[in-house]
This record gives sequence, structure tokens and C-alpha cells, in this order.
Amino acid sequence: DSGVTQTPKHLITATGQRVTLRCSPRSGDLSVYWYQQSLDQGLQFLIQYYNGEERAKGNILERFSAQQFPDLHSELNLSSLELGDSALYFCASSEKTENYGYTFGSGTRLTVV
Amino acid sequence: QKEVEQDPGPLSVPEGAIVSLNCTYSNSAFQYFMWYRQYSRKGPELLMYTYSSGNKEDGRFTAQVDKSSKYISLFIRDSQPSDSATYLCAMGGANAGGTSYGKLTFGQGTILTVHP
Repeated sequence: DSGVTQTPKHLITATGQRVTLRCSPRSGDLSVYWYQQSLDQGLQFLIQYYNGEERAKGNILERFSAQQFPDLHSELNLSSLELGDSALYFCASSEKTENYGYTFGSGTRLTVV
Repeated sequence: QKEVEQDPGPLSVPEGAIVSLNCTYSNSAFQYFMWYRQYSRKGPELLMYTYSSGNKEDGRFTAQVDKSSKYISLFIRDSQPSDSATYLCAMGGANAGGTSYGKLTFGQGTILTVHP
């Protein structure tokens, strides 16, 4: 157990739907990162939050949004889902904003049908 | 061209062999270099972390960074079947203005199988 908790582990939903993925960082970590992993694109950085504030944005689609709450857990919202959004979504956390040795959760496998 | 290039393999070696994995990159702003190991259906796990050029050793693992050639390597000595996994190189560093923060750019990953 890495200490980073992601729920749910698996999610199957239809095209056009909206889902929310949840992440609880390791105790003491203030930074949360979201990544998408697909077979053709590999691990792609989506977005980073630090202590509730957005700090960096990657190739995140406009249909996707995220936030970090006062208790430091984070949610990634995916809407108007398309077949191509099927992927593994990972959350990672670190203590600081620039600590690159961060810890990943086990991921949420999203299947859009 | 991708910022980070990594041969996806697959790589198959006998137990006890020395494994060499490598990545090349194009962004000279990268300052931090990491290797992650990912088992099937699991999240990536940090193996090695190196800042700037040089070597770092941890048990059977050695990481090398050559910034002049934009080339990083991971060596695994006395490989074991339990080392069978996907190995991902990752890099980070502040871009102009220092706004990259903790973003990492990953290679595609190399699938390694160590057979008994």
C-alpha cells in the first residue's frame, strides 16, 4: 500500500456520461497530481494541485476538471465521455510543490462503452 | 518527436543477467531524472531519483545520467524473476519562469521479463 488511495478501482460507463474519480493523498502530502495512462500515449500529466490551489496544467481536456478540497483529497471530473477517454487514471502525491519523487496510487481503470 | 524516447521492448533476459534500460530526451531544461517500476495493474513505484548528471547506486540498481548526451540509463544486476515489470523513465525540471512545478514527463516504458 503506497498510502495514496484512489476510488473507485474500476469504472464502466457509457459515452456522454460524467464520472468523478477520487484521490486521498499520503498523510502529510500537500501536492496532488493526476495522470492519464493509455497504451498509445503512455503516462500523460493532466494537472497538479498544491494545498488547494492549481499549480500546473498539462494536456487536460476542457471536458475534464479537477479540484483539491480543504482536507487535501482531490477529485477529477470527466464529462461528455468518449470512447477515447478509456484509460487508467493515476493520482500521485508529494510533500512539496517541486518534489519530483512522488508516490502513485493504484489507479482507476475507466472503460467507456 | 517526443520529449522523452524509450524503447518499449519487450526485453527478455535469463535470471542473473545484467539488464540495461535507457532513455533519451530532447528538453535541456530537465534537471531531475527518475526511474519507476510498474507491475501489471499497479501504480508506478519510484526506484531511483537523480539530480543532474552522475551515477547513483542502490543495491542491484544503478542509475546514470549524461546531460551532455541527453541520455539516462538504469542497470539491474543479478536480475530476478521478481524484476519482471514495466520500467518507466521520467524527467522533470522548471521551465522558463519556473512554472512546471512537479510535472514529470514519462517515457513509454520498457517491458522486462526475467525468466528463471
